[in-house]
Amino acid sequence: GEDVEQSLFLSVREGDSSVINCTYTDSSSTYLYWYKQEPGAGLQLLTYIFSNMDMKQDQRLTVLLNKKDKHLSLRIADTQTGDSAIYFCAEKGSQGNLIFGKGTKLSVKP
Amino acid sequence: ETGVTQSPTHLIKTRGQQVTLRCSSQSGHNTVSWYQQALGQGPQFIFQYYREEENGRGNFPPRFSGLQFPNYSSELNVNALELDDSALYLCASSLKTIAGGDRKETQYFGPGTRLLVL
Repeated sequence: GEDVEQSLFLSVREGDSSVINCTYTDSSSTYLYWYKQEPGAGLQLLTYIFSNMDMKQDQRLTVLLNKKDKHLSLRIADTQTGDSAIYFCAEKGSQGNLIFGKGTKLSVKP
Repeated sequence: ETGVTQSPTHLIKTRGQQVTLRCSSQSGHNTVSWYQQALGQGPQFIFQYYREEENGRGNFPPRFSGLQFPNYSSELNVNALELDDSALYLCASSLKTIAGGDRKETQYFGPGTRLLVL
């Protein structure tokens, strides 16, 4: 089946790095995504990675993909209070849909 | 800003009523997907429309139906509302190509419609 798992909470101090982890089940997924959701808002696409890549860096964001273990992570360098939000990992499903985890709530303390 | 708009932003209905939610896709996109996000959960796929036809469906009953118009905007209709239908409804637009290829089809989300069923 298709399923995505994430830890529910992460708390870091401003200026530290945050690492949000995700596991997925469908080994045929070609793309994996990270979305950010602020309170009361829709989903903002942060970044994505193609399954033939191990790593992708985009400014403060680094995505690591371990396809063997079906493990995806998002590292946010120099985390700021404005990064406080819920972060969703998603894989592309067989119907062209996105399959989301329950989201990781990131709290950044000053 | 993704260029995807949804209306209304908020809605209150009572059990048994019907509701229609609307979505305008990003310019140049031909595919709209709808998701339901219950409180504290990740979005769940309802269905997807491509070129005015349903192109995939999640585990939702037939009282959830949709339409896509020639301008690629879309509607989500829910009949016989139940209390558990209270959620944030998100639409996402993307560009699906015939070639398919790597099927990136990145989905861009609107701000959502928050539905409360009493």
